Amino acid sequence: DVKVTQSSRYLVKRTGEKVFLECVQDMDHENMFWYRQDPGLGLRLIYFSYDVKMKEKGDIPEGYSVSREKKERFSLILESASTNQTSMYLCASSHRGQGAYEQYFGPGTRLTVT
Amino acid sequence: AQSVSQHNHHVILSEAASLELGCNYSYGGTVNLFWYVQYPGQHLQLLLKYFSGDPLVKGIKGFEAEFIKSKFSFNLRKPSVQWSDTAEYFCAVIIMDTGRRALTFGSGTRLQVQP
Repeated sequence: DVKVTQSSRYLVKRTGEKVFLECVQDMDHENMFWYRQDPGLGLRLIYFSYDVKMKEKGDIPEGYSVSREKKERFSLILESASTNQTSMYLCASSHRGQGAYEQYFGPGTRLTVT
Repeated sequence: AQSVSQHNHHVILSEAASLELGCNYSYGGTVNLFWYVQYPGQHLQLLLKYFSGDPLVKGIKGFEAEFIKSKFSFNLRKPSVQWSDTAEYFCAVIIMDTGRRALTFGSGTRLQVQP
């Protein structure tokens, strides 16, 4: 089974802090993604990566950055956390190749910024 | 911009009732289509997917969905729901022509099944 793990289930940070959210997948997937999930808005794509050291902006990248130094690890960074970044953050991965490109999701990190 | 619409935000059904959740997308090219489900306190998991072939696809737990290209729709169905189907359901699309392999999600439908 594909396993995507995220470093924390719950996180509370103060406004202005730098926040790191870590994601690791164990299935040698090339593609990795970060989404945020908010009630009534579904999931929105923040950043994604097709390979090590590669990154692409998603639909809502403002206020975020990412790092992918190893194939299995994809980090989301909030440079200076703000209250409007309080949300559930989901990491996902998928294989590059033919087929449906289905994504496998981690359990999520619920971040509260106070 | 491409979008995915789920018109039912909250659905309440009794056990054994039939279910149909609507999903429409706004892109006219080649798409891959998905339904994901999130049970309370659990990971988002794949329910079913369509990328080619028979437009009627079957997924886990008795769910099915039909891709109707002319209507840009991919509605989810189940003939008889159970209390354990209580969850949030998300329709999602990958636009294949762009090369971007990221999902665009709908806003979700919360299904509550009453025993």
